[in-house]
Amino acid sequence: NAGVTQTPKFRILKIGQSMTLQCTQDMNHNYMYWYRQDPGMGLKLIYYSVGAGITDKGEVPNGYNVSRSTTEDFPLRLELAAPSQTSVYFCASSYSSGGGHSYNEQFFGPGTRLTVL
Amino acid sequence: QKEVEQNSGPLSVPEGAIASLNCTYSDRGSQSFFWYRQYSGKSPELIMFIYSNGDKEDGRFTAQLNKASQYVSLLIRDSQPSDSATYLCAVYLYTGGFKTIFGAGTRLFVKA
Repeated sequence: NAGVTQTPKFRILKIGQSMTLQCTQDMNHNYMYWYRQDPGMGLKLIYYSVGAGITDKGEVPNGYNVSRSTTEDFPLRLELAAPSQTSVYFCASSYSSGGGHSYNEQFFGPGTRLTVL
Repeated sequence: QKEVEQNSGPLSVPEGAIASLNCTYSDRGSQSFFWYRQYSGKSPELIMFIYSNGDKEDGRFTAQLNKASQYVSLLIRDSQPSDSATYLCAVYLYTGGFKTIFGAGTRLFVKA
């Protein structure tokens, strides 16, 4: 199993450009997440999905969009990139059998380092 | 007050010593608590989780939870240089919607 894969690893954008960060997992996990991590800071949840076709906002959703058409893929779209979106983006997945997911482990991808100039 | 607070460190301990990492949280409805280890330039990986008051041991790692004091800690016994990393505390809260809050992390440095 490859686990959680993310592409690209690095990207530099100009202000106002758009891009899509790709995330794929092969563990048949139902939950998927997008986080951003600024230098010296913890992870902040951008969006998450509890299954194909279902997404919801996290803590910092502004400036981002997501979709979940399949169990495996959870792309993150940045529209009109801004310098404040310079960060490392992590995708993660986990499995929950239902009733919330208090105890499950999140598996993280290797991250995408994005710089907006 | 931040929802999950950790001392940013760095915490420096000699090899073989016990490293003690602390985390406090503000929401009394928090249900479960996680410790992730993150090496520089890498993604986080789960070390332990705990949801009941008391201690939970796994090898050299012990997680301690005190819900009355809203405090969770991670002890690393016989610290090794390979334990040098940032340790993220995460708190899970379900209030009609999913919410996991991460602390900013504590940098640990184990001196050989």
